[in-house]
Amino acid sequence: SQQGEEDPQALSIQEGENATMNCSYKTSINNLQWYRQNSGRGLVHLILIRSNEREKHSGRLRVTLDTSKKSSSLLITASRAADTASYFCATDAANQAGTALIFGKGTTLSVSS
Amino acid sequence: GAGVSQSPRYKVAKRGQDVALRCDPISGHVSLFWYQQALGQGPEFLTYFQNEAQLDKSGLPSDRFFAERPEGSVSTLKIQRTQQEDSAVYLCASSLSQEMRFSSYEQYFGPGTRLTVT
Repeated sequence: SQQGEEDPQALSIQEGENATMNCSYKTSINNLQWYRQNSGRGLVHLILIRSNEREKHSGRLRVTLDTSKKSSSLLITASRAADTASYFCATDAANQAGTALIFGKGTTLSVSS
Repeated sequence: GAGVSQSPRYKVAKRGQDVALRCDPISGHVSLFWYQQALGQGPEFLTYFQNEAQLDKSGLPSDRFFAERPEGSVSTLKIQRTQQEDSAVYLCASSLSQEMRFSSYEQYFGPGTRLTVT
């Protein structure tokens, strides 16, 4: 079963625009991570936000976390064609050490030039 | 340094055949995970190793699936008597951390093995 649910399922934008993806999850977490997956490539880690953090930045990425609503958002600013990929949020389970990540179904982002 | 590697990258098997998928994690990484990713879905957890110990195999879909990591490094995922529903990309990931609560828990993924069962 998958805990995270990304919204929207698909997003199409023009280069230079911002892209916002949302993720909701069900159980308490230690961390929430965002990953990117390009066609034919493996998953690449983008950013990790801990449960006691509310916002985190990395380059053109901004992640927010609202543990009261069990939701997170990923904002990609000034998008580029190279940002075209599927984006997944992944959570752990707060009461288990060394446990696996639980992924959502992903948001497919298409950035056209 | 070298990332996580997986072999083969593509595997076509006839229904009923056995397959073995290999994962070479990043050197020194304690934790190793196997995931199954069906088309259009996110990865789903199969099993987890800490060094050579298989601590969680709750995600293995049936007893046809077996994984091992005998020396705490390379891991093999074996699927016996493959079925069409086994067709998916099998992802391996490794992580330096074994204590999640206070440390960065980034998992490094390999490129995956795409298994097609005909």
